Amino acid sequence: NAGVTQTPKFQVLKTGQSMTLQCAQDMNHNSMYWYRQDPGMGLRLIYYSASEGTTDKGEVPNGYNVSRLNKREFSLRLESAAPSQTSVYFCASSGESNQPQHFGDGTRLSIL
Amino acid sequence: AQSVTQPDIHITVSEGASLELRCNYSYGATPYLFWYVQSPGQGLQLLLKYFSGDTLVQGIKGFEAEFKRSQSSFNLRKPSVHWSDAAEYFCAVGPINTDKLIFGTGTRLQVFP
Repeated sequence: NAGVTQTPKFQVLKTGQSMTLQCAQDMNHNSMYWYRQDPGMGLRLIYYSASEGTTDKGEVPNGYNVSRLNKREFSLRLESAAPSQTSVYFCASSGESNQPQHFGDGTRLSIL
Repeated sequence: AQSVTQPDIHITVSEGASLELRCNYSYGATPYLFWYVQSPGQGLQLLLKYFSGDTLVQGIKGFEAEFKRSQSSFNLRKPSVHWSDAAEYFCAVGPINTDKLIFGTGTRLQVFP
């Protein structure tokens, strides 16, 4: 069972470059999420999508855009990467409201 | 504002000792409550959840948690820790009727043989 798959696993960018992080789930979940994890700060929600075709901002959306391509896929785009966006990014999905979220293994992103 | 507090950043225990990780939340009503575990280089795995009913919840890997409404707490416990339990543990709160979770900042558990 694949669950939630994130690509790539690691990436190094230069300041100002753009990049799209990919996420796909095979559990037929309606809701999908993007978080960033920074030391001492836990996980902070960047964007989420409650259903195909809808997206909403989370706690830290600035500098990011998202696309819910279909029910399976939810991508996160950095248009002009900044060093402050160096982080570990996690994608998650869940079924009905308030059901547990299932996480991918993360993308480790460094911006120089 | 809704928030989750995990007061212990780092805990060290000996293998075989008991464990309690603290979690306090701030929310106007009883939320949904979760504990997740994260091993190094991995994503988060659900340990257990509380939605309603019995306030003592059993999870995977021998963990349990007790919801105490009067203390706004949802502490995680294990009677005997194994070396493989070394990881980071996150408490999360899900306000009712939303899809969002609010995570605590995590507690890193170190286990000595």
